[in-house]
Amino acid sequence: GQNIDQPTEMTATEGAIVQINCTYQTSGFNGLFWYQQHAGEAPTFLSYNVLDGLEEKGRFSSFLSRSKGYSYLLLKELQMKDSASYLCAVRGPGGYQKVTFGTGTKLQVIP
Amino acid sequence: DTAVSQTPKYLVTQMGNDKSIKCEQNLGHDTMYWYKQDSKKFLKIMFSYNNKELIINETVPNRFSPKSPDKAHLNLHINSLELGDSAVYFCASSQDMGAGGQHETQYFGPGTRLLVL
Repeated sequence: GQNIDQPTEMTATEGAIVQINCTYQTSGFNGLFWYQQHAGEAPTFLSYNVLDGLEEKGRFSSFLSRSKGYSYLLLKELQMKDSASYLCAVRGPGGYQKVTFGTGTKLQVIP
Repeated sequence: DTAVSQTPKYLVTQMGNDKSIKCEQNLGHDTMYWYKQDSKKFLKIMFSYNNKELIINETVPNRFSPKSPDKAHLNLHINSLELGDSAVYFCASSQDMGAGGQHETQYFGPGTRLLVL
């Protein structure tokens, strides 16, 4: 099975940098996704990591350490519109394997 | 040019009724999913179909029956609705579930907010 842990809530200031952590314990691993979900809306894809290291995409970066079962999402130059939930999701190994979502981290950006 | 669409967006119904939610994707994807997101915002997979074939069937009461008439459509029928079925149901699609990597990036529909009274 898969177990995914994220902080429930975080608060950060507009213009700052925030790091949202995700730890996972899985019987196998084949990729980690980050999704953003604004209140009342659908999740949207942010990033994908399958190898160790940092993937950068504009203001957002995602890091993975497979040996530590750890990932983080880094948001720079925070904007008010970044207030949302951030979901970490892990794919199991093998062919048709489900993607298991964490419970999400609700980020509030304050002026 | 909506990628993944669901109908209805809102559904309010009485306990014991039977209802259906429809989902369509125009992305040409092979895989479609149904998720349930409860009041605590936990997103849990219910079913997955790949090219009209059932691939994932999580521990879901058999009152829930998915149907995929073609790979662009995945509908969800719920019999004998219960209070605990109240949630947001999301449909999603991905290019190919078995391919791994970014082919499994999921694109979500807008959700169907189901309230059972």
